[in-house]
Amino acid sequence: EAGVTQSPTHLIKTRGQQATLRCSPISGHTSVYWYQQALGLGLQFLLWYDEGEERNRGNFPPRFSGRQFPNYSSELNVNALELEDSALYLCASSRGRGENSPLHFGNGTRLTVT
Amino acid sequence: GENVEQHPSTLSVQEGDSAVIKCTYSDSASNYFPWYKQELGKRPQLIIDIRSNVGEKKDQRIAVTLNKTAKHFSLHITETQPEDSAVYFCAATPPYGQNFVFGPGTRLSVLP
Repeated sequence: EAGVTQSPTHLIKTRGQQATLRCSPISGHTSVYWYQQALGLGLQFLLWYDEGEERNRGNFPPRFSGRQFPNYSSELNVNALELEDSALYLCASSRGRGENSPLHFGNGTRLTVT
Repeated sequence: GENVEQHPSTLSVQEGDSAVIKCTYSDSASNYFPWYKQELGKRPQLIIDIRSNVGEKKDQRIAVTLNKTAKHFSLHITETQPEDSAVYFCAATPPYGQNFVFGPGTRLSVLP
């Protein structure tokens, strides 16, 4: 079975620009989670989507947004990029609400803001 | 909401010794507790998980224990090897899959 795939692998942007990150979950998974991991630090929860709806969001400003498509893939958008947005953005998928199944992570998108 | 604390933040052990990482959670409704290992430059990977109806689970050199009354759970690694060196994250999640809340991580170094 194919794992969670993320694209692009690396993304370099300048301050003030917008970034779009993409994620395809494991087949059959309906929940997609986004996490930010700054260098050497922990997993900061950004957004959770399930069945096309945003179920929860972490303590991040509104310029971090996203959506989930009918095929359960997801997109994370970061507007008005700031230097401190430089981080590894990890997407994870699970079987969905009520399942209590583990998260499966993708390899991440390394975003660098200059 | 759920809050997960994890200790220690760093841990160094000699090869062959045991390592223990402890996590506490705040939401008594949480009922699923996975542990993830993240090697340098790689994605976090599930190594073991436990549900609240079980007190202990083992998988070869790895075990997890859960104390629901005290709201804490621990990862035990026996006979540590250099390839166990990584950052370990615990997590807790309440029923119906609200967002997974991760602990801050423990950097384990196994010294040869």
